[in-house]
Amino acid sequence: EAQVTQNPRYLITVTGKKLTVTCSQNMNHEYMSWYRQDPGLGLRQIYYSMNVEVTDKGDVPEGYKVSRKEKRNFPLILESPSPNQTSLYFCASRRTGSLYNSPLHFGNGTRLTVT
Amino acid sequence: GENVGLHLPTLSVQEGDNSIINCAYSNSASDYFIWYKQESGKGPQFIIDIRSNMDKRQGQRVTVLLNKTVKHLSLQIAATQPGDSAVYFCAENIPGENTGFQKLVFGTGTRLLVSP
Repeated sequence: EAQVTQNPRYLITVTGKKLTVTCSQNMNHEYMSWYRQDPGLGLRQIYYSMNVEVTDKGDVPEGYKVSRKEKRNFPLILESPSPNQTSLYFCASRRTGSLYNSPLHFGNGTRLTVT
Repeated sequence: GENVGLHLPTLSVQEGDNSIINCAYSNSASDYFIWYKQESGKGPQFIIDIRSNMDKRQGQRVTVLLNKTVKHLSLQIAATQPGDSAVYFCAENIPGENTGFQKLVFGTGTRLLVSP
């Protein structure tokens, strides 16, 4: 089954304790992206990657890091989490090229709480 | 479940009714629009899309209407079913930003509640 898999689904941590949220896709997609979703706001892009070893900042990159060493994996790293990073995070992937024929596939989300 | 719908407008309908969900988009240069469905505890799921050179597109039980004059998008769901209960949000593609790659801007969404 074609899917984007995020882990963990739920994570509670304390301020300053480094964490990584993993994302893996099995569709051989070049493009991958991380979003955060907060009440009253639409999905906001954190980082994206056009292909292996190519990453770029989205709209809200502060406090986050990513890496793209393999095509299928795109982990999101919070080096020193803070309470304002408490949010619902989604990883997504798609083929590159025209957006018209390659919709985003989303994972089921990671609920992060930073105390 | 997730609380992404905590502050969302809500549309309540009876099973079998037709539902209309609206979205106002922001950028007159946007050239492509998508509707997503997000069920509790799940990621957004693509429903239907429309390009800016069209004003209507139909899928299975869903129709999207685009009015570029007033920058308005709507999603119509025919014969709404309890399984349609979810948060629905639109996204617009703004061309030309971010080194030429398309940029999606997502709306905040509407919660649809379908009563049996």
